[in-house]
Amino acid sequence: KQEVTQIPAALSVPEGENLVLNCSFTDSAIYNLQWFRQDPGKGLTSLLLIQSSQREQTSGRLNASLDKSSGRSTLYIAASQPGDSATYLCAVEASWEGGSEKLVFGKGTKLTVNP
Amino acid sequence: DTGVSQNPRHKITKRGQNVTFRCDPISEHNRLYWYRQTLGQGPEFLTYFQNEAQLEKSRLLSDRFSAERPKGSFSTLEIQRTEQGDSAMYLCASSLSGLAREQYFGPGTRLTVT
Repeated sequence: KQEVTQIPAALSVPEGENLVLNCSFTDSAIYNLQWFRQDPGKGLTSLLLIQSSQREQTSGRLNASLDKSSGRSTLYIAASQPGDSATYLCAVEASWEGGSEKLVFGKGTKLTVNP
Repeated sequence: DTGVSQNPRHKITKRGQNVTFRCDPISEHNRLYWYRQTLGQGPEFLTYFQNEAQLEKSRLLSDRFSAERPKGSFSTLEIQRTEQGDSAMYLCASSLSGLAREQYFGPGTRLTVT
């Protein structure tokens, strides 16, 4: 059974700092990995999707990397801003034949960027 | 393209009542997913459709839950005889099939069972 763990559970940083959020998964047979942002009481906003054949994806100040063999992904946020404050969720999709196309989520990292 | 929409956004019901939620996916997306999220947890998969076919249901989806996607467009999720443990955020997502099947989520329906 695939399990996804995100460390740390919460992180508080001053504005302008670069930071890294970590995600690990137990089964390396994944099809893709997605990072999401969730504001309190809201739905999920997709940030980046990395296919299993890719090593990283970039969007603006965000960079996500994937090391499938070690079961790890990181989300790097450059020059953090108060508007980045949210919960960041990592999710993986299984790739084995007959596997569901559902996403399995971690519990998220709650990020607070202080002005 | 207006994204995934869900209605209602909030629902308060008494234990034992039936509730129905609606999800309208992104128009060209043939896949539709339902997830449930409780406080402090990541979303958990409930079920998904490809067009009108329901391809998988989680063990979380008890007999009191039913989902449909008639004509492969919008979907409904019905909960019969609601229990307090059903209180959660119900999230809908849609995607295209293919290599980069990125899932896009709606704003969710917050259910409170009193």
